[in-house]
Amino acid sequence: DQQVKQNSPSLSVQEGRISILNCDYTNSMFDYFLWYKKYPAEGPTFLISISSIKDKNEDGRFTVFLNKSAKHLSLHIVPSQPGDSAVYFCAASAGTGANNLFFGTGTRLTVIP
Amino acid sequence: DGGITQSPKYLFRKEGQNVTLSCEQNLNHDAMYWYRQDPGQGLRLIYYSQIVNDFQKGDIAEGYSVSREKKESFPLTVTSAQKNPTAFYLCASSLSGSTDTQYFGPGTRLTVL
Repeated sequence: DQQVKQNSPSLSVQEGRISILNCDYTNSMFDYFLWYKKYPAEGPTFLISISSIKDKNEDGRFTVFLNKSAKHLSLHIVPSQPGDSAVYFCAASAGTGANNLFFGTGTRLTVIP
Repeated sequence: DGGITQSPKYLFRKEGQNVTLSCEQNLNHDAMYWYRQDPGQGLRLIYYSQIVNDFQKGDIAEGYSVSREKKESFPLTVTSAQKNPTAFYLCASSLSGSTDTQYFGPGTRLTVL
């Protein structure tokens, strides 16, 4: 049972435009959310996170929005750059403990020059 | 230059052979993790360790074994009991086993022939 879902396996965006990657979750106990970026044959790199006490967190071109009532979060990249082309994983955690980080299946973003 | 290293990057083994994947970190992190990624799927937790000489099974531990004799090392053995071992294996570490951000190594792609 997939507790974190990324329903769009791929997304193509023109360079300079906004990329919006979406993530839905089912477990209302999740209180910490992360986005990772992954290039082929490499490990994921941490991008940005948000705690459930916030609804927005911004870091440069990257902004994550959290809608707890809808159990939905999104990652906005503005402006999109060709180097942003990668697979983006959403992850969620419920409280403390090392075994409760759940990952989505990833969305492949392609930024077209 | 702190980080997580995994070796080798590509590994080929014959069916029925055990194989050990290396993971080393010099970040002084207490917690370490092993994940498996299959095409079109999110990361799935195999084993994790919150402290030296202690480790716990994750969601898909069957057919795998680990050890944590040193803080900086968390090797994963893929045994012949693992029914479908061909996959991309990722090691990660975090400062502690709570909701601290996990940082990933570059991964090892294991192909069983």
